[in-house]
Amino acid sequence: ETGVTQTPRHLVMGMTNKKSLKCEQHLGHNAMYWYKQSAKKPLELMFVYNFKEQTENNSVPSRFSPECPNSSHLFLHLHTLQPEDSALYLCASSQGSVDTQYFGPGTRLTVL
Amino acid sequence: KNEVEQSPQNLTAQEGEFITINCSYSVGISALHWLQQHPGGGIVSLFMLSSGKKKHGRLIATINIQEKHSSLHITASHPRDSAVYICAVTGTASKLTFGTGTRLQVTL
Repeated sequence: ETGVTQTPRHLVMGMTNKKSLKCEQHLGHNAMYWYKQSAKKPLELMFVYNFKEQTENNSVPSRFSPECPNSSHLFLHLHTLQPEDSALYLCASSQGSVDTQYFGPGTRLTVL
Repeated sequence: KNEVEQSPQNLTAQEGEFITINCSYSVGISALHWLQQHPGGGIVSLFMLSSGKKKHGRLIATINIQEKHSSLHITASHPRDSAVYICAVTGTASKLTFGTGTRLQVTL
């Protein structure tokens, strides 16, 4: 248990669906991250939030829309995804942007 | 070519063996991280280091800044060590760049 929770753990959606992934950290951290992990590829950073402000968008398509209402919660809103977006989506948090990151268990997303 | 390269990609060892996983990087870094990912996806941070050597239980991580190389050693390996071990570096703008991971299987 790392102090970072993600829901749902598994999600299957069609290309026309709208769904949201949720991440919550109970560590009092100020930075939160979304990562994508595809089969046989390195982890890819998607978004970074520091003190609720987005500080990095790593050229992510607009069909992925992050939201950070407060320092403890991070959402990833999904809309009209493609099958190649199927992957493990991991959330992480850290005290500051250069500190050790603590990862959630991930959401396994399948787009049909 | 990835900025972070790990070797080997896959490793099978017998219980009790000494294991070494290597990581080379090609960019300037402020820190290097070793992470462990178990089946099911959860990732745990094992070490963050910027110089020298760190030890935690049966795990030892070393880094050579001049050679841009790090190693993760596991002594007296056990089947519960079976996981994917990921090397990552903190580069410019505090951004983490990851290697593709080394899949370790320790058998009885």
